[in-house]
Amino acid sequence: AQSVTQLDSHVSVSEGTPVLLRCNYSSSYSPSLFWYVQHPNKGLQLLLKYTSAATLVKGINGFEAEFKKSETSFHLTKPSAHMSDAAEYFCVVSRDRDDKIIFGKGTRLHILP
Amino acid sequence: GAVVSQHPSWVICKSGTSVKIECRSLDFQATTMFWYRQFPKQSLMLMATSNEGSKATYEQGVEKDKFLINHASLTLSTLTVTSAHPEDSSFYICSARDATSGRKNEQYFGPGTRLTVT
Repeated sequence: AQSVTQLDSHVSVSEGTPVLLRCNYSSSYSPSLFWYVQHPNKGLQLLLKYTSAATLVKGINGFEAEFKKSETSFHLTKPSAHMSDAAEYFCVVSRDRDDKIIFGKGTRLHILP
Repeated sequence: GAVVSQHPSWVICKSGTSVKIECRSLDFQATTMFWYRQFPKQSLMLMATSNEGSKATYEQGVEKDKFLINHASLTLSTLTVTSAHPEDSSFYICSARDATSGRKNEQYFGPGTRLTVT
C-alpha cells in the first residue's frame, strides 16, 4: 500500500534562511508525488509534482523538490524563506490502484522574523 | 484557470438537522470530484469519490447513508451531511479533476467548508 511520512510536524526557520521539509514515501512502483500548501482558512494549492520525468522538480514560489528513489524521499526545499511561506505543507502520493491521492500528516512551517 | 469553489464556506447547524455543501468547478468540466474531511491540525482523509452521472464510491469506514453525495452535472457535486451530530463537526474539502486534462491524477481543491454542529 502507498503511504507518505512527513518526518516533522513543525519546522521553524528564520526569514531568509533555507527551508527543508522532509517526506518519505512508500509505493510498490514508480509513484506520482506532490507537495501542496494550505494557508489558514484557504484551500490547498499545488506547489509542485513529480511524475517520473526529471528528478529535480521546480515549483511555484521558489520551492523545489528532489525525487530520490534510493532513499524513497521527496524532500521540499527553498533557498530563502519568506514570511508568506508560513503555512501547512502536505506531501502527497498517488494511490497505485486508482490514482487517488493519499496525504501525509502535514508539516507546519513557522517563519521567524 | 482550474478554480473550484465551495458553498457555504462556514455553516453552523443544530444536531439532528441536515446540511448540504456544494462544490463547483468554475472554469473546467469535472467528471470526477472528491470529498475530504480534515480534523483540526490533522491531515485530509478521503471520504468518497463522486462520479458524474453515477453513484459515489465511499472509502472504507465512511457511512454512505450519512454522507450523501450527488454529482448531477460536470461542474457540480454536493455533499449532504444527514442528521448531523457534534462529532460531524469538521472541515470538509472538495477537489475536482479536469476531465479534459491528460494529468489524470492532478486535483484542484476548493477552499473548504467548516461545519459546526451544536
